[in-house]
Amino acid sequence: DTGVSQNPRHKITKRGQNVTFRCDPISEHNRLYWYRQTLGQGPEFLTYFQNEAQLEKSRLLSDRFSAERPKGSFSTLEIQRTEQGDSAMYLCASSNRDSDTDTQYFGPGTRLTVL
Amino acid sequence: RKEVEQDPGPFNVPEGATVAFNCTYSNSASQSFFWYRQDCRKEPKLLMSVYSSGNEDGRFTAQLNRASQYISLLIRDSKLSDSATYLCVVQDSGYALNFGKGTSLLVTP
Repeated sequence: DTGVSQNPRHKITKRGQNVTFRCDPISEHNRLYWYRQTLGQGPEFLTYFQNEAQLEKSRLLSDRFSAERPKGSFSTLEIQRTEQGDSAMYLCASSNRDSDTDTQYFGPGTRLTVL
Repeated sequence: RKEVEQDPGPFNVPEGATVAFNCTYSNSASQSFFWYRQDCRKEPKLLMSVYSSGNEDGRFTAQLNRASQYISLLIRDSKLSDSATYLCVVQDSGYALNFGKGTSLLVTP
C-alpha cells in the first residue's frame, strides 16, 4: 500500500505526559499537512510543510505542539504536557505540488485519548 | 462564524432515492472547493472537486455558485454503500483545507 501511513493508530496517555506521532506521506509528495478532528466536527488545519520547511501554522497549534519534517520525508507531531482537551483524531495528509490538482490524501489518523 | 456551514443531518433516505446536500462558505475569495467522504472512524477521502460549471461523476453531481457562496452535492439512485458523512471543503489562497462539520447520510434498505 503506497498511501499515507500514520503511527501509532491509537494512543492512550495520562494528562501531563508527552506524546509523539509519526506520518509517512506518499513517497513522491512534497507537501505534508497535519489536521485535528474532534467528535462531530470536520478536520481542523494545524500545520503545513513544503519539503522540510514548515510554511504555515494555525492558531490552534499552541506552544505545547511542535511538528517537524527533518528530511522532507516523514513528519512527527509532538504534544507536550498533554491535556484532556487534546483528545482527538490527528490526521496527516500529503499532496504533490507538481501535480495538476495538488489533491490532499489523508492517512488513517492517530486517535489520542488523554485520561 | 464558521467559514464553512453544513446541515449536519442526519439524512435518512431509502435505497434509490435522490438526496441533495448544501453548504455555504463565508470567504468570497476562496479558490477551490471539494466534497470529501468520511466513513465512520476512517479518514476523509476526496469524492470530487467542485467547479462553477458543475461537474458530474456517475451518480454524483456537484455545483458551485460563487455569487451566492453556495456549494451543492446531489446523489442519485442512492446505494447502501453511500452511507457516510459528506464533508464540504473550501480552500482559500493558502494550503489549508477548511472543512464543514459534515452531513451524515444513512441509506436504508
